[in-house]
Amino acid sequence: DAGVIQSPRHEVTEMGQEVTLRCKPISGHDYLFWYRQTMMRGLELLIYFNNNVPIDDSGMPEDRFSAKMPNASFSTLKIQPSEPRDSAVYFCASSFQGSYEQYFGPGTRLTVT
Amino acid sequence: GNSVTQMEGPVTLSEEAFLTINCTYTATGYPSLFWYVQYPGEGLQLLLKATKADDKGSNKGFEATYRKETTSFHLEKGSVQVSDSAVYFCALRPLSGGSNYKLTFGKGTLLTVNP
Repeated sequence: DAGVIQSPRHEVTEMGQEVTLRCKPISGHDYLFWYRQTMMRGLELLIYFNNNVPIDDSGMPEDRFSAKMPNASFSTLKIQPSEPRDSAVYFCASSFQGSYEQYFGPGTRLTVT
Repeated sequence: GNSVTQMEGPVTLSEEAFLTINCTYTATGYPSLFWYVQYPGEGLQLLLKATKADDKGSNKGFEATYRKETTSFHLEKGSVQVSDSAVYFCALRPLSGGSNYKLTFGKGTLLTVNP
């Protein structure tokens, strides 16, 4: 299996621009998670989906952030407008019912200048 | 709420030294406990887990025992290798409730092993 796929791996953008991060979970997994990792705050869960439905978005920082999962094989995390404090590594992870393990993608390193 | 506290790094050891990374947690009930490892430039990978009190998780020479009385899940390895250099994260998942699949992570501990 290819594992969780994220794109792009690196993104550099200017403040105010829209940023879209993409994730393809492992086939057959019905849970999908978006995390943000920074030196200051560590690893934070932003939102997670079950069967394409958002279950808990309490970690989404503010209205500038939105996430969608239009089908079982694709999810996006969008930031509009982006700000320098959004600079971080964003991870997508997937899992399946009954599993204790979350499988992480390689991450997208976002830099907002 | 749930929380995980792990020892701050960085930790620097020589090859074949003994490793301990402390982890304590706060949670209601009996959560499942995990250690994840992140190698440079990669995502996190599950290293080991324990789902009930007194369980010992083990993998690749690493061990951790679920201690309910001290709410701890310390990671140990008897003889570290250079290839063990990575960031280690302790995490918990609640036993039940609406956020059953939501992991709470510690801040991570950077381990560097020198030859």
